[in-house]
Amino acid sequence: DADVTQTPRNRITKTGKRIMLECSQTKGHDRMYWYRQDPGLGLRLIYYSFDVKDINKGEISDGYSVSRQAQAKFSLSLESAIPNQTALYFCATAQGETQYFGPGTRLLVL
Amino acid sequence: GENVEQHPSTLSVQEGDSAVIKCTYSDSASNYFPWYKQELGKRPQLIIDIRSNVGEKKDQRIAVTLNKTAKHFSLHITETQPEDSAVYFCAAIVQGGKLIFGQGTELSVKP
Repeated sequence: DADVTQTPRNRITKTGKRIMLECSQTKGHDRMYWYRQDPGLGLRLIYYSFDVKDINKGEISDGYSVSRQAQAKFSLSLESAIPNQTALYFCATAQGETQYFGPGTRLLVL
Repeated sequence: GENVEQHPSTLSVQEGDSAVIKCTYSDSASNYFPWYKQELGKRPQLIIDIRSNVGEKKDQRIAVTLNKTAKHFSLHITETQPEDSAVYFCAAIVQGGKLIFGQGTELSVKP
């Protein structure tokens, strides 16, 4: 689904570095989400936003921050990366209840 | 707290057999239950969903059933094919419009 894009697709970084993952969508959806996926744990919600002025914490927001720069853009930042933030990160968008996922960013923190 | 439990974590079937994946949820106010399929290295994709005003929904070889009283819902895949091999996630919508996902089921269909 090319309507939801994530950059970068893969990233290797070192402990303590600040990194930003970006998500863009052309679907015109108001709602955007960030999840992380770890083996055996499913998809866990980090942050979500229902419009540009709205930011909400999810289940596992500690160590992360987000910015909703525009309706189409939602960025996830790791202020000081640590190894247990190594995971697959997905952005998703929704207009109603149905969520559409981006292709994912694979992050490795050394 | 809000929780979705999914079982089994792995499931292996022979091609042509049926597969059933079960989920239970904790928030009695949940009224929307999607199922996603994630192929290896790909993003999760919605395959079917059900709302609380119906008990069953079918789409070709896939069906989902919902028991609101018991707070559980299930995915049924009939006449399985090797291309059905993937990880399947159930989810339930909770207060605030968030989706809570189950832990996933890795389905393997052996030819």
